[in-house]
Order: sequence, then C-alpha cells, then structure tokens
Amino acid sequence: EVQLVESGGGLEQPGGSLRLSCAASGFSFSSYAMSWVRQAPGKGLEWVSAISAGGGDTYYADSVKGRFTISRDNSKNTLYLQMNSLRAEDTAVYYCAKDLIEGYFDWLHSWGQGTLVTVSS
Amino acid sequence: EIVLTQSPATLSLSPGERATLSCRASQSVSSSLAWFQQKPGQAPRLLIYDASNRATGIPARFSGSGSGTDFTLTISSLEPEDFAVYYCQQRSYWPLTFGGGTKVEVK
Repeated sequence: EVQLVESGGGLEQPGGSLRLSCAASGFSFSSYAMSWVRQAPGKGLEWVSAISAGGGDTYYADSVKGRFTISRDNSKNTLYLQMNSLRAEDTAVYYCAKDLIEGYFDWLHSWGQGTLVTVSS
Repeated sequence: EIVLTQSPATLSLSPGERATLSCRASQSVSSSLAWFQQKPGQAPRLLIYDASNRATGIPARFSGSGSGTDFTLTISSLEPEDFAVYYCQQRSYWPLTFGGGTKVEVK
C-alpha cells in the first residue's frame, strides 16, 4: 500500500525558513516523479513544485520560484521542500503527491494527508 | 500559464440526480486534463485522467469527456458520498494548474 507521510510543518515568522519532508513507502520511490501541492485555508488547490524520479528535473510555480527548493533522497525514500523567505501567503496545508505511473512526469495519483504551515508574526 | 475556469462554483442537487461540471482552459490542453474529488479534511482523490479515463477504483457513475479547451465531469446519479468539491487540473504545460473548484452540495 502506498503511504506518504508529510512532516515539518508548523508556525514560522515571515522571512523565516522551514523544511518539509515526505516519507514514502509501499512503492519503488526512486521510479516515480513527485510533487508538492498546497491549499490555503478555505481555498483551492495550488501546485507548488515537481521533481523527476532521478531528481535531475525540477519545476516550480512562479509564486515560489527562487524561494522554495524541491529535492529528494532516493536512498531514504524521502521528498523534501525547503521553504525560505516565507510570506503570509505561503500559509497552507502542504501535500506531497506521487505520480500515477513510473517514469517521467504523470498525473498526481497518491496523496499524503498534508502538513500545515502557518506564516505569521 | 494555463488558466482553468470551473463552472458553476456551486451545484445544489439531490441524491440520485445527475451532476454536470464544466472546466474550460484558457488555451488547448489536448486531453491532458484530470478531475479530483476532495472532501472536508481529506486529501484530494484522482477520479479521471487524460480527460476520460477513470482511475483505479473509481465507480462507473463518474465519467469525463472533452478535449482542447472544454471538459466535462458527469456524475450520472449522485450518491450521498459524492457531495464534495471537485477540481480539474491540466498537465499539458508547466506550471501545472488547477481550476478553482466546483462544490456539489445537497439541495
């Protein structure tokens, strides 16, 4: 069974940093592209970033480009999101998601339960 | 960036009724469109991908159609568990984008 467990969320001040982790199990992690998607309180879904299976290709939403960095450690079956220069508008539940099929980028099929990031002074 | 516009924002229907949800793209995304269902406090669930393919375990009452810029999600007969928010998403171009959502509520 695919399991994705996010951690690392919490309360951070504007301008601060957080690193989110997503621990994966139940599938061959190194074979799948992964993404981060966020949802501000009471709002819709916003894709944040994606990384290829091997980690060599990464993509970002314009709203986080230059501030957030996606990475992965395939030896630890873990996905990361380094979040710097945090802003109030980054407040959201952050989900990690696994692609539907292995290989290059595909549909977001399996999702974790999310971790809440709150940016406030 | 591809903008996805969903309509209506809210759909008020009764169990057993047919639901028709629309998603319009600002430019053609071919068939690279998916539909997700999200219930309160839960992660989204993939329902439909490549515009018309049901994901594993999704009931046959859910169907997707369309290509280019106009897409439709149809729920043929609403079950109590289908009342939720539905999002469309495209992966034809980076950045990936989602529509604003349609809430299907009990009338």
